[in-house]
Amino acid sequence: SQTIHQWPATLVQPVGSPLSLECTVEGTSNPNLYWYRQAAGRGLQLLFYSVGIGQISSEVPQNLSASRPQDRQFILSSKKLLLSDSGFYLCAWSPGTVSYEQYFGPGTRLTVT
Amino acid sequence: DQQVKQNSPSLSVQEGRISILNCDYTNSMFDYFLWYKKYPAEGPTFLISISSIKDKNEDGRFTVFLNKSAKHLSLHIVPSQPGDSAVYFCAASHFGNEKLTFGTGTRLTIIP
Repeated sequence: SQTIHQWPATLVQPVGSPLSLECTVEGTSNPNLYWYRQAAGRGLQLLFYSVGIGQISSEVPQNLSASRPQDRQFILSSKKLLLSDSGFYLCAWSPGTVSYEQYFGPGTRLTVT
Repeated sequence: DQQVKQNSPSLSVQEGRISILNCDYTNSMFDYFLWYKKYPAEGPTFLISISSIKDKNEDGRFTVFLNKSAKHLSLHIVPSQPGDSAVYFCAASHFGNEKLTFGTGTRLTIIP
């Protein structure tokens, strides 16, 4: 069966510091991968998605970037965090053209102070 | 432009009764719709979906209804149980699109 891992679970970082969140998927090949953010009291905002290694599509221009160095690894980064980057970050995967369903990881709670 | 709308931010239902969560969409290209359930500090979990070729899909206590002419779908939970208390997100997509468009969610509270 497929599993998705995200770490860390919680993170407190000062403004201006860098960020690296990692997501890995097991038990599948060539998944589509997604990064979402849920701000307090808000819905799910798609930040980036990837249909293959090195292929990244950005949905919202912002202070963040994403990379996919391996087939089942997706990384969310920032060089300098802003207060507005605080939120709950979720990684998700889908089988791609086989199915519309996306399956989410446990999330990372980021607080920028 | 919010293409998927959940106009009720919250809903309270007595245990054992029916919970009805609503979702409206504006993009007529959407042909596949999903419901997710989310507990605090956890990732959303997929609940049930429906293709636009159907108007109803049932899975245990959960039924999703689709009204294409009204661009409206609803999730019925019956009977409602305390463990159903969560935030429910409606999502939509269309053929060839790798992305889901999510609504803003409805917080369902089941009252014992």
